[in-house]
Amino acid sequence: RKEVEQDPGPFNVPEGATVAFNCTYSNSASQSFFWYRQDCRKEPKLLMSVYSSGNEDGRFTAQLNRASQYISLLIRDSKLSDSATYLCVVLSTGNQFYFGTGTSLTVIP
Amino acid sequence: EAQVTQNPRYLITVTGKKLTVTCSQNMNHEYMSWYRQDPGLGLRQIYYSMNVEVTDKGDVPEGYKVSRKEKRNFPLILESPSPNQTSLYFCASSSEPRPTDTQYFGPGTRLTVL
Repeated sequence: RKEVEQDPGPFNVPEGATVAFNCTYSNSASQSFFWYRQDCRKEPKLLMSVYSSGNEDGRFTAQLNRASQYISLLIRDSKLSDSATYLCVVLSTGNQFYFGTGTSLTVIP
Repeated sequence: EAQVTQNPRYLITVTGKKLTVTCSQNMNHEYMSWYRQDPGLGLRQIYYSMNVEVTDKGDVPEGYKVSRKEKRNFPLILESPSPNQTSLYFCASSSEPRPTDTQYFGPGTRLTVL
């Protein structure tokens, strides 16, 4: 079983739409959780960390459900510039990172 | 400017010819890491280092070596490259020994092994 699993998509949504991505992880003792964004095989960049209480950064909201071992990312009012691949990342026990395969988002004018 | 640099950015080589991909960061970060990215498999961690002279295997260490003699540098060594090591490689660093903080990635190295 993979450590981190994501729906690869693609998600094609119109501008202004709300879109949600989910990610599940297998190790219940995992320590930290993140969403990264990757544009067209460039380097990944941190979008936001995910906290147990949930956190929001502008149009982006991240949630963590430890009981069900899933992480979510909600994007409101999608912009063309949001088109990218979104990577779910988990810091497992020890100091090792596990990445999901990514979810592809295309925002259509 | 705070950054992680990798060299070379692109490399085509032949099976068995030893190569080194360099990685350097100027942020005085403790934690450094190497990943490879392959279609359908995502990023997978090869090796990581918590500090100078401390390195640990990640998910896919076979066929790779690393060293951490200085805090800023973390080279990836392929002693005898094979075609299945053709991939996109990323180096990353973060400030904490326990990397709960942001990882900063280098621009990537595209390696082709013929």
